[in-house]
Amino acid sequence: QQPVQSPQAVILREGEDAVINCSSSKALYSVHWYRQKHGEAPVFLMILLKGGEQKGHEKISASFNEKKQQSSLYLTASQLSYSGTYFCGTGLGGATNKLIFGTGTLLAVQP
Amino acid sequence: DAGVIQSPRHEVTEMGQEVTLRCKPISGHNSLFWYRQTMMRGLELLIYFNNNVPIDDSGMPEDRFSAKMPNASFSTLKIQPSEPRDSAVYFCASSLRATGGGEAFFGQGTRLTVV
Repeated sequence: QQPVQSPQAVILREGEDAVINCSSSKALYSVHWYRQKHGEAPVFLMILLKGGEQKGHEKISASFNEKKQQSSLYLTASQLSYSGTYFCGTGLGGATNKLIFGTGTLLAVQP
Repeated sequence: DAGVIQSPRHEVTEMGQEVTLRCKPISGHNSLFWYRQTMMRGLELLIYFNNNVPIDDSGMPEDRFSAKMPNASFSTLKIQPSEPRDSAVYFCASSLRATGGGEAFFGQGTRLTVV
């Protein structure tokens, strides 16, 4: 039931772009994205509720393909502050607001 | 608002002892989640409540784990008896319930070490 993220880890230089993917075996109603820095709590980035809708946060955006049960997070012109572990959270919708998190992607941005 | 408040921040206990973790959600939020984070398993949902009522506890690993939410401003997660494999960071999160889920705000977590 836990969504699968890829890649597991990625190392970037400042200014480079990255894509993190999230895939679920279950039909999704919503996808959430969070970032967790080492030793801290996860922090909300964005939520996507409609298929194909893209949302943005600073230079971070995401898409959600309902049919494929997938979401992707796009980080453009990465900054040192983007380093951390990114988690997708999946909502199944209906009467439930159960939020299951993916396996996580460790992102390291180097100068 | 002070955000979600968890206590204690760190807990070291001996195997077999009872451990109680506490959480105060953000005022006005009506959903509360307990997660456990380890390197091996990532962020696992243990249980969640809507309007103080447990909705899904299928993630609670064993009968040694129990959770309560006696009112809208307080929840506890209890482990009795504790075992070394329970060592992890336990997060509490709260949100305003919405279809598909609203933004979840996390507490700073309780790092539990069972020796």
